[in-house]
Amino acid sequence: KQEVTQIPAALSVPEGENLVLNCSFTDSAIYNLQWFRQDPGKGLTSLLLIQSSQREQTSGRLNASLDKSSGRSTLYIAASQPGDSATYLCAPAPGANNLFFGTGTRLTVIP
Amino acid sequence: KAGVTQTPRYLIKTRGQQVTLSCSPISGHRSVSWYQQTPGQGLQFLFEYFSETQRNKGNFPGRFSGRQFSNSRSEMNVSTLELGDSALYLCASSLFFPHPANYGYTFGSGTRLTVV
Repeated sequence: KQEVTQIPAALSVPEGENLVLNCSFTDSAIYNLQWFRQDPGKGLTSLLLIQSSQREQTSGRLNASLDKSSGRSTLYIAASQPGDSATYLCAPAPGANNLFFGTGTRLTVIP
Repeated sequence: KAGVTQTPRYLIKTRGQQVTLSCSPISGHRSVSWYQQTPGQGLQFLFEYFSETQRNKGNFPGRFSGRQFSNSRSEMNVSTLELGDSALYLCASSLFFPHPANYGYTFGSGTRLTVV
């Protein structure tokens, strides 16, 4: 069974700082990996999807990388803003099966 | 285009009752998955439906069931509710099953179920 770990569990940074969120997974035979954000009490918003054949994806201030062989992915957020405050979840997909989620990193960006 | 729509947004039920939650996927999406989110267990997969057939099932008791209709809308049912069933239930839609590697899931806003 896929185990997903996200470090750190919580992170507090001042506005404008660049930051990195880490995700590790035990089964490297993944199909793709999605990063989501979740605001308190809300659903999940997809941020980036990296296919297993790709090394990274970028969207605006966000950049996600994937090292499938070592079972790691990182989400880089540049020039953080208070609106980035949320819980960030990574979810590797083992083929045509369900997503496995980590417990997330709760990010607080202080104005 | 409209996103994934879940109804109702909030529900309060009494222990022992049953409940039905509804999910309408993005237009054209034919796969619907359900997840349970609790503070203690995080996000856990319940089941996935495609073309009205359950394709995958998580490790939940038989009290949790679901179905999908010909228009791809899905419902999940929980019978004999327990206090531990209190959670945010999230629905996700995807285009196909099996899923293409370049296409992910889109989630709804969830239904918050409270069992008292």
